[in-house]
Amino acid sequence: DTGVSQDPRHKITKRGQNVTFRCDPISEHNRLYWYRQTLGQGPEFLTYFQNEAQLEKSRLLSDRFSAERPKGSFSTLEIQRTEQGDSAMYLCASGGGQGTGELFFGEGSRLTVL
Amino acid sequence: EDQVTQSPEALRLQEGESSSLNCSYTVSGLRGLFWYRQDPGKGPEFLFTLYSAGEEKEKERLKATLTKKESFLHITAPKPEDSATYLCAVQARSGGSNYKLTFGKGTLLTVNP
Repeated sequence: DTGVSQDPRHKITKRGQNVTFRCDPISEHNRLYWYRQTLGQGPEFLTYFQNEAQLEKSRLLSDRFSAERPKGSFSTLEIQRTEQGDSAMYLCASGGGQGTGELFFGEGSRLTVL
Repeated sequence: EDQVTQSPEALRLQEGESSSLNCSYTVSGLRGLFWYRQDPGKGPEFLFTLYSAGEEKEKERLKATLTKKESFLHITAPKPEDSATYLCAVQARSGGSNYKLTFGKGTLLTVNP
């Protein structure tokens, strides 16, 4: 257990529905990341928060995706109007203070879009 | 753009048969190179960070090494419980305060008893 928790662990939805994932990072970590991983691929960067500020978004993050981190604590990732291509594992990671590069990942939220 | 290539894609070993996994990288100034282990259906688990060429890190049966262009993960006398996907990732200096990782596709290691 890395101390990063994600919810739900599994989500099955129909195409066109909205879904939301939650991530609770390690409490003292100010950096939070969302990644997406499909079968046979490594994790791909989606977005990065430092405290409550969203500082970087990948080109992979279409307009249907939105992420928030209110008050610099937990974070949510919402996908609107889901498509079958959104089916993937969504991973959250958190990192500590300056100079500490290690990221600690949660167990992930697996999304299946029917 | 930062790139990470891992080889082989899959490796099958007998218990006790030592081998190495390769990670070659292209990055605009390396801040750190990371190895993670990932079990099926789980998130990546941190193993090592290497910061400069010539550096080595060890943990149980695993040893990671780094050159200016690649990293190796050496597995000595592996056991079936070492079976997992091993992911390599790089962190670029140009990222500023964003310590994001760029991952390779991983090497799926299977150790048979």
